[in-house]
Formats: sequence, C-alpha cells, structure tokens
Amino acid sequence: DSGVTQTPKHLITATGQRVTLRCSPRSGDLSVYWYQQSLDQGLQFLIQYYNGEERAKGNILERFSAQQFPDLHSELNLSSLELGDSALYFCASSTSTSGSSYEQYFGPGTRLTVT
Amino acid sequence: GENVEQHPSTLSVQEGDSAVIKCTYSDSASNYFPWYKQELGKGPQLIIDIRSNVGEKKDQRIAVTLNKTAKHFSLHITETQPEDSAVYFCAASKGGSYIPTFGRGTSLIVHP
Repeated sequence: DSGVTQTPKHLITATGQRVTLRCSPRSGDLSVYWYQQSLDQGLQFLIQYYNGEERAKGNILERFSAQQFPDLHSELNLSSLELGDSALYFCASSTSTSGSSYEQYFGPGTRLTVT
Repeated sequence: GENVEQHPSTLSVQEGDSAVIKCTYSDSASNYFPWYKQELGKGPQLIIDIRSNVGEKKDQRIAVTLNKTAKHFSLHITETQPEDSAVYFCAASKGGSYIPTFGRGTSLIVHP
C-alpha cells in the first residue's frame, strides 16, 4: 500500500458527460501528479500540482482540468467525455520541499469507461 | 522531448532463471531512472531507481545498470519467483520537475 488513495475505483459514464476523480496524497506529500494509462498510449503524464499550485503540464487535453485543495487532496475533472478517454487514471504523490522530487508513489487508480 | 524505448515487450522465464529488461533514452540531460512494477489491478510501484552519477545499484534480487554514454539502462532480476510476474516499466527524467517519461512496459511471466 503506497499510502495514496483514489476514488472511485471504477467509473462508467456516457459520452458527453463530465466526471471528477479524487486523489489523496501520502501524509506529508505536497506534490500530486496525474497520469493516464491506456493500451495505445502507455503511461502518460497529465499534470502536476505542488502545494495548491500548478507546477507542470504534460499531454493534458483542454477538456481536462485539475486542482489541488488546501488539504492537499486533488481532483481531476474530465468533461465532454469521448470514447477515447476510457483509460486508467493514476494519481501519484511525492515528498518535496521545492516541487521537484525524485520518487513518486502511485495510487491504485480509477478505471474510467466511457460508453 | 524525451523518448524511452523498452524491450522486450513480453518476457517468459522459468522460476529460478534470471530476467533482463533493457531501456534506451534519447535526452542526454536525463539523470534519474526509476523502475516500476505494476501488478494486475494495481498502480505502479517503485522498485528501484538509479541516478546518473551511479553505474550500478543492487537491492537483493534486483539490480539496475546505467550506461550514460550509450544512453541505456537495464533491470536485472535474479532467481525469479512466480510473484515477480507483473508488468515492469522503466522511466527517465531530469532535474527541474523530474516528470518521468515511461517506456511501454515489459510483461514478465515467471512459470513455476
């Protein structure tokens, strides 16, 4: 158990809908990272937050957004969902005093199915 | 940007054999190379990592080697056990944000 929690574990929704995925980092970790894992694209970095502020952005679509709250939990919002958004979404956290850190610890993921 | 190639995509071994997974990277500025193990239905778990100022690192049955000149690094698992069966990912990252670029993964199957 990495100490990172994610809810829900599974999510099934229809095209065009909006969903919110939630992540709680390990106790004391200030950085949260979001990743998308699909069969055709592999594990892709989406976005990083550090202590409430966006720190780095990867291959994140404009339909997707994220935020980190004062209690350090993070939410990933996916809107106008398409079939191709079906994937596993992982959150990871790391201990850092500056927003840059080596080791990342992954949560169990949320499996999103868009029908 | 960084590109990480990982081989093989599937590796089947007998229990007790050794397993080797190889990765190459493209960005010579990359200086941190973690390896993750992902079991079915779980998130990736960091199992070992190596930094660019080190050529080899070992932790019990697993070891990682890094050749900066050739820009490749490898994961070695000795005395494999059925519980080693999983998908293994290599990654490369560099200072600043240390956001990793992942390889496509190797499915390791250890037959008892």
